[in-house]
Amino acid sequence: NAGVTQTPKFQVLKTGQSMTLQCAQDMNHNSMYWYRQDPGMGLRLIYYSASEGTTDKGEVPNGYNVSRLNKREFSLRLESAAPSQTSVYFCASSDHRTTFLSPLHFGNGTRLTVT
Amino acid sequence: AQKITQTQPGMFVQEKEAVTLDCTYDTSDQSYGLFWYKQPSSGEMIFLIYQGSYDEQNATEGRYSLNFQKARKSANLVISASQLGDSAMYFCAMRADNYGQNFVFGPGTRLSVLP
Repeated sequence: NAGVTQTPKFQVLKTGQSMTLQCAQDMNHNSMYWYRQDPGMGLRLIYYSASEGTTDKGEVPNGYNVSRLNKREFSLRLESAAPSQTSVYFCASSDHRTTFLSPLHFGNGTRLTVT
Repeated sequence: AQKITQTQPGMFVQEKEAVTLDCTYDTSDQSYGLFWYKQPSSGEMIFLIYQGSYDEQNATEGRYSLNFQKARKSANLVISASQLGDSAMYFCAMRADNYGQNFVFGPGTRLSVLP
């Protein structure tokens, strides 16, 4: 059981370049999330998708777009990367159909550096 | 607004001793959950334990227990019989039933277990 798989693991971009982070989960969860982690700030929500076909902005959505391709896959796109987007990105999923107490299950993270 | 505070940036504990990591939260919701995650140096986020606001008994999972004091709005993580492998960052998080899909994370506490 792979859980949440995100790719790539590492990426270096130049300012202005674009890229897409891929995420897939095999736990049949309805909700998927993208977080960024910066030192001393914990994790901050970028976008989430409560169910297939829906997406919503989180706390720090500027500079990002997302696509919920199907129930399994949720991608994050940086159209024009900026140094402020240097961070570690985590994809996560959860199943809130029966209880909001369902925990987040995380992928292993993507370390992105924008020069 | 939802907020998590972790006032201990770093903690040291001797191997085999117990340690308490502090977490206080702020919410106006009556229905919410509190979660603890471990992030070892390898970077992945590992779910440890959770507590619902209506749960009367403190949650326990193996060597982890959650000391939930609702009136004080605290949800401290207690690790018993510390092991070297417990050295990691620990994050407290909250999700309120009426706060949509977002989990709010604290800034984390770095725990170092000394041999």
